[in-house]
Amino acid sequence: EDQVTQSPEALRLQEGESSSLNCSYTVSGLRGLFWYRQDPGKGPEFLFTLYSAGEEKEKERLKATLTKKESFLHITAPKPEDSATYLCAVQADQTGANNLFFGTGTRLTVIP
Amino acid sequence: DTAVSQTPKYLVTQMGNDKSIKCEQNLGHDTMYWYKQDSKKFLKIMFSYNNKELIINETVPNRFSPKSPDKAHLNLHINSLELGDSAVYFCASSGRDRVFEKLFFGSGTQLSVL
Repeated sequence: EDQVTQSPEALRLQEGESSSLNCSYTVSGLRGLFWYRQDPGKGPEFLFTLYSAGEEKEKERLKATLTKKESFLHITAPKPEDSATYLCAVQADQTGANNLFFGTGTRLTVIP
Repeated sequence: DTAVSQTPKYLVTQMGNDKSIKCEQNLGHDTMYWYKQDSKKFLKIMFSYNNKELIINETVPNRFSPKSPDKAHLNLHINSLELGDSAVYFCASSGRDRVFEKLFFGSGTQLSVL
């Protein structure tokens, strides 16, 4: 079964149009939930780690939140340079200490 | 001064060939990884390795083998390449031994098996 599901698969926003990306997870014993950004032709780049429900992290126009079942990546007033694929990943008891289980990502396009 | 570098960037080869991908990190990290990203952008771990332990994802065929000459390098050897091996392969490293820290990824090697 899927352990990490991201939605939507793709999202097109006008510049300045705020929105949220969703990451739902079904693992037990969550140790951490991670958000990465991936640009075309490059490796994922770390954004945030969230460890417990209720936790929030912010970086520029991005804000990540976590509940017991899902995480949201809120994008406020996005710019074209925010266009990328955003990947969510979880580390849990069942994935092991050195293993992340990734979702398939949300491909974000911000139109000028 | 790229933190995690892997070569080559692109690799096109025939079925049945043997190939290697090299990875080096200059972050002083103890643990290195190989991930495979398929056409649907799904990233799946293949191996994790530190000075003491190699952990292999059980779904990885034994045609794939990691080799680490030292702590800063983890190369991936693939024997008898198959069409289904076509994907992007990412090397990564992380800072703490057995306690997970954020991953630093290389820029990927796009492998195409013809």
